[in-house]
Amino acid sequence: GENVEQHPSTLSVQEGDSAVIKCTYSDSASNYFPWYKQELGKGPQLIIDIRSNVGEKKDQRIAVTLNKTAKHFSLHITETQPEDSAVYFCAASRGWGKLQFGAGTQVVVTP
Amino acid sequence: DTAVSQTPKYLVTQMGNDKSIKCEQNLGHDTMYWYKQDSKKFLKIMFSYNNKELIINETVPNRFSPKSPDKAHLNLHINSLELGDSAVYFCASSQGPYGEDTQYFGPGTRLTVL
Repeated sequence: GENVEQHPSTLSVQEGDSAVIKCTYSDSASNYFPWYKQELGKGPQLIIDIRSNVGEKKDQRIAVTLNKTAKHFSLHITETQPEDSAVYFCAASRGWGKLQFGAGTQVVVTP
Repeated sequence: DTAVSQTPKYLVTQMGNDKSIKCEQNLGHDTMYWYKQDSKKFLKIMFSYNNKELIINETVPNRFSPKSPDKAHLNLHINSLELGDSAVYFCASSQGPYGEDTQYFGPGTRLTVL
């Protein structure tokens, strides 16, 4: 089955700096890669996703890149703000809604 | 308006008891899921239903039994609770069962087994 590895497990950044989280996946048939943000005491919320026929996608301060050959994808957050502090999860799916999640990255943005 | 709601938010119970968690979505979605998040925050899918039909059934002890009375509700019943069942359980829903359909998560139910 699919295995998703996520790094780093924790990430501390100064407000205004950029944050990068990287994930690798094992199943070459995976074709959908969402990123979720989970704030304390809440459920995960989708922030951006990318499909296998696209190499990069951007939404304001958030961007995701996908390298299908190397089987890795990354989340980039620019101009970080304190409200970006949360746990971020990458996931991969080959279909039927079966998301395989990474272990999560705790992002702390310090003012 | 709450999109995906779960009750209760907290559940504390003794080993050996039977308990249920309820989930409702008002998004008009056809597919619903149950996930388990352990103490290390690892999220793992347990079940999914599409139009009341089971489509994903991961390696979960048969003490866990999902029930979908209609496509807006997916309840999780757990028999003979064990210490290892302590976790946060999330319900989610999506328009369809396809991999690209965004999954919307509920607020979670924190289950503590003593």
